Amino acid sequence: AQSVSQHNHHVILSEAASLELGCNYSYGGTVNLFWYVQYPGQHLQLLLKYFSGDPLVKGIKGFEAEFIKSKFSFNLRKPSVQWSDTAEYFCAVKGDDKIIFGKGTRLHILP
Amino acid sequence: EPEVTQTPSHQVTQMGQEVILRCVPISNHLYFYWYRQILGQKVEFLVSFYNNEISEKSEIFDDQFSVERPDGSNFTLKIRSTKLEDSAMYFCASRSTLDQGQGAKGYTFGSGTRLTVV
Repeated sequence: AQSVSQHNHHVILSEAASLELGCNYSYGGTVNLFWYVQYPGQHLQLLLKYFSGDPLVKGIKGFEAEFIKSKFSFNLRKPSVQWSDTAEYFCAVKGDDKIIFGKGTRLHILP
Repeated sequence: EPEVTQTPSHQVTQMGQEVILRCVPISNHLYFYWYRQILGQKVEFLVSFYNNEISEKSEIFDDQFSVERPDGSNFTLKIRSTKLEDSAMYFCASRSTLDQGQGAKGYTFGSGTRLTVV
């Protein structure tokens, strides 16, 4: 069965700082990997996804993630965060039909 | 852009009461899902539904839960006798195809129904 582990539960950064959120997964077969964002009071939105091809995936709002198969990792990065990036970020993996989410990382950006 | 619509956005119910959470998936989608997120915890899979039957369900989805697609457009989640621990945000999702090559391109989440059991 697939599983997802996010290492950082709560991250606080100042504006313009660089961001990297860790995500590791386990699954024996071909995976699809995702990062979702949930802004306060809003629903889940897809930031980016990987299912094949270039392991460096670029998403919306300047986010990117790199799939490293040997490390079973799919870390999310952004070179310079903004106050509006304050949200909860979920890494997710889809092996069979359903999506399994990580526990989430709450990101707080100080203005 | 097509949306998955969920109603109501917030429902408060007394313990032991039945609740029905409603979802209108994207019209050409064939696969339907319910997830829930207890406050401060991760989003958890509840059930998937295809061709008018449950495809898969988690251990959370016990006999108190049921799903239905009564009229070809709505997709409902019923909790027969709510418990305090059912308080959560419930997300409906739908997608068009199980084609692995497309991943979850068509996987769209609704805005959620916040269920509060008192």
